Amino acid sequence: DGGITQSPKYLFRKEGQNVTLSCEQNLNHDAMYWYRQDPGQGLRLIYYSQIVNDFQKGDIAEGYSVSREKKESFPLTVTSAQKNPTAFYLCASTAGSNTGELFFGEGSRLTVL
Amino acid sequence: GENVEQHPSTLSVQEGDSAVIKCTYSDSASNYFPWYKQELGKGPQLIIDIRSNVGEKKDQRIAVTLNKTAKHFSLHITETQPEDSAVYFCAASGQNFVFGPGTRLSALP
Repeated sequence: DGGITQSPKYLFRKEGQNVTLSCEQNLNHDAMYWYRQDPGQGLRLIYYSQIVNDFQKGDIAEGYSVSREKKESFPLTVTSAQKNPTAFYLCASTAGSNTGELFFGEGSRLTVL
Repeated sequence: GENVEQHPSTLSVQEGDSAVIKCTYSDSASNYFPWYKQELGKGPQLIIDIRSNVGEKKDQRIAVTLNKTAKHFSLHITETQPEDSAVYFCAASGQNFVFGPGTRLSALP
């Protein structure tokens, strides 16, 4: 089945540690996105990538980093510089147009202890 | 940049009744308006979408209307069922997708 796989589903981290969230898609989509979701708020864009080896900052990129070395993979690193990292993180992809369906993964819940 | 507002934030309806969720957007260049349903602990799933050249679209119990002049669009769910209980997000897309804050819908038996 085609889709987006995020891992891990749950992750606990101590303050001061970096953590990397995995996102893999087999939809052959060009564009991939990372969103952060907090209770009572909409999805906020962290980073996005329209093509391999290229990515752009979204609205809340501070404290996060990404890479896009392969078309199917777009990992997100939450660094120790992110002041409030506890959140639900969603990866998404689309075929390349901002007027096409955005497919989401099942999310990764990060909790900082 | 684009700003999307969504109302109400919570909505309770009796099973079998209709539910309406409304969104407004600010950027007249936005031309694609999807609606997503998110169940607890899962990723959002597209339930219906509409493009700027269309005023209304229907898919079984779900319909979306778009008023480009007023920059607002609405989701209509008829004959609400318990499985409709979830959080619903609207979005507007031009350069990028911008999401509303969500509406928690509860279909009461």
